[in-house]
Amino acid sequence: AQSVTQLGSHVSVSEGALVLLRCNYSSSVPPYLFWYVQYPNQGLQLLLKYTTGATLVKGINGFEAEFKKSETSFHLTKPSAHMSDAAEYFCAVGITAGNKLTFGGGTRVLVKP
Amino acid sequence: EPEVTQTPSHQVTQMGQEVILRCVPISNHLYFYWYRQILGQKVEFLVSFYNNEISEKSEIFDDQFSVERPDGSNFTLKIRSTKLEDSAMYFCARTMSSSYNEQFFGPGTRLTVL
Repeated sequence: AQSVTQLGSHVSVSEGALVLLRCNYSSSVPPYLFWYVQYPNQGLQLLLKYTTGATLVKGINGFEAEFKKSETSFHLTKPSAHMSDAAEYFCAVGITAGNKLTFGGGTRVLVKP
Repeated sequence: EPEVTQTPSHQVTQMGQEVILRCVPISNHLYFYWYRQILGQKVEFLVSFYNNEISEKSEIFDDQFSVERPDGSNFTLKIRSTKLEDSAMYFCARTMSSSYNEQFFGPGTRLTVL
């Protein structure tokens, strides 16, 4: 069975500072990895995904993530935080097409002016 | 991306009542899923549906729950005899590709059981 751990349930960053959200996964087979963002009272929006190929993947809103197999990690970064980045971010893993996604506990990002 | 709509957006019910949550995907979607998110907790998988059959379900998806696609378009989640602990956001998701596991989520239905 697969699992996801997100370190830090809350992260506070200043506007313009680096955003780094940590995600580690466990999977017995090569994983598909995803980051979703959830704005208050809204659904989950796909930020980016890793399936195969290039390990550095770019997503929407200036976010990117790097798949590191040796570290079983898929950390999410954004060089410069914007106030609109305040939201909750979920890392998720899947193992085959059609398979369920297993989510981490989420990291709530607060952006300070 | 093709949208998924969910109705109602908010459902309030009394404990012990039955509720039906609806998801309206576009017809060429491949897999459908239901997830739930209890307030302040992680998103949890309930069930996946492929080719008009359940393909996978979690331990949460017990006899209280059922899914169907009654008219070939709407995808429904029925919760019989609701309990207080069923209060949560319920998300429908779908994928179009058989190659990847990219799932797109609907806006959710907030279920409140009193």
